[in-house]
This record gives sequence, C-alpha cells and structure tokens, in this order.
Amino acid sequence: KAGVTQTPRYLIKTRGQQVTLSCSPISGHRSVSWYQQTPGQGLQFLFEYFSETQRNKGNFPGRFSGRQFSNSRSEMNVSTLELGDSALYLCASSLATEPYEQYFGPGTRLTVT
Amino acid sequence: AQSVTQLGSHVSVSEGALVLLRCNYSSSVPPYLFWYVQYPNQGLQLLLKYTTGATLVKGINGFEAEFKKSETSFHLTKPSAHMSDAAEYFCAVSTAGGTSYGKLTFGQGTILTVHP
Repeated sequence: KAGVTQTPRYLIKTRGQQVTLSCSPISGHRSVSWYQQTPGQGLQFLFEYFSETQRNKGNFPGRFSGRQFSNSRSEMNVSTLELGDSALYLCASSLATEPYEQYFGPGTRLTVT
Repeated sequence: AQSVTQLGSHVSVSEGALVLLRCNYSSSVPPYLFWYVQYPNQGLQLLLKYTTGATLVKGINGFEAEFKKSETSFHLTKPSAHMSDAAEYFCAVSTAGGTSYGKLTFGQGTILTVHP
C-alpha cells in the first residue's frame, strides 16, 4: 500500500502571501490530521478532518484552515503568512477507529522570508 | 486533557549498549500510547503502540515498551543500540473520541545519539 504523500515537499514564500499544502492519505483511511513542527514548539495539532468535516481543531489562529475532499484527500491553507509560520507541516492519516494510530507523510517544509 | 513528558532531550549511548528513553503521560481516561521515530528531513514512523491488554509491547527494529499504569509511564527500550537507531524519538498519547478526534499529543522529543 502506498503511504501518505504530501506535496510540495519544500516551499518558500514571502510574508503576507498565502500557501496551500496538499495531503493524500493511505488508501482506505478517512481521517486526516495536520500538525505543525517547529524547534521551539515541537509537534502541535492543527486540525482533523473526517468525511469532509472538521471534527477537531487545535489552538491556531483563523489564518490556518483546511478542507477534505470526497476522496479523503486534504488541503491546508495558511493566509497572510508570518515569519513564525516557517515550519515542517505534517499530515497523518488513520482509519478513524480506535486506537486511532496515525501514519505520517514526509511533510512539507515551509520557509517564510 | 492529556500531556506527555519525555525526560531528557538528548540521550547518548555506545553502539551495543542498552537504549532507554523515558516517557510519562497524564490522562484522565485510559490512554492509547505510541512511540514514533523521526529521521532527519523525514516524517514520523510508528515504532509501536499500546492499546489494551499486554503491557509489554514489541515494535519494529527491536524496540519494545512497557505500559505501567501505576507510574503513568511508557518507557522505550532496546537491548543493543545500532548506529542506525540515531534519530529523534517521540512519545504520544491519544484517547477515544470526543475532543480527542484525530489528535495525538506529543512529548518534546528525545534525540538519540549512538557512538561507535
């Protein structure tokens, strides 16, 4: 089975721009979660989507948003980029049944200049 | 709410020595516990998980972990370190449903260095 894929792998943007990241989950996985990883804050949960609905959200400003499509693929969007948004953004998919183990993609490295 | 504390941000061992990475969790309900490994410029790979039942769980690459409810711990061990084990390791907790949907809470990570 193919793993979780994320595109693009690397991205450089300028402050004030917006960006869209894409995630394709493992076939059959209907839950997609997004995380931000930074050296200072570690791994932080952004949000989770299941059946095209956001079920859970972390403590991030409204500039961070996401969506999920009927084929379970997900996108996240960050508007009005700030320098502090530079991070590795990780997507994870799961079957959405207990114990909710998640499988991660390679991540998208976003650099904001 | 749940939380995870990993004791020691850096652990250094010699090749062939025992690896012990410590993890303590806090959860108001029975937790699911996970260990992940991250190699440079890569995503996280699941090493092992505890759900219910046997408290000693075995994972990939010779790693195992023991769930101790009384100590709220889930330490990761490997009898003999290999150079290829050098990476960052994360302990994570989740619980069933509710506000925990799709959310793993991670520890701060432990960087394992293996010396020849």
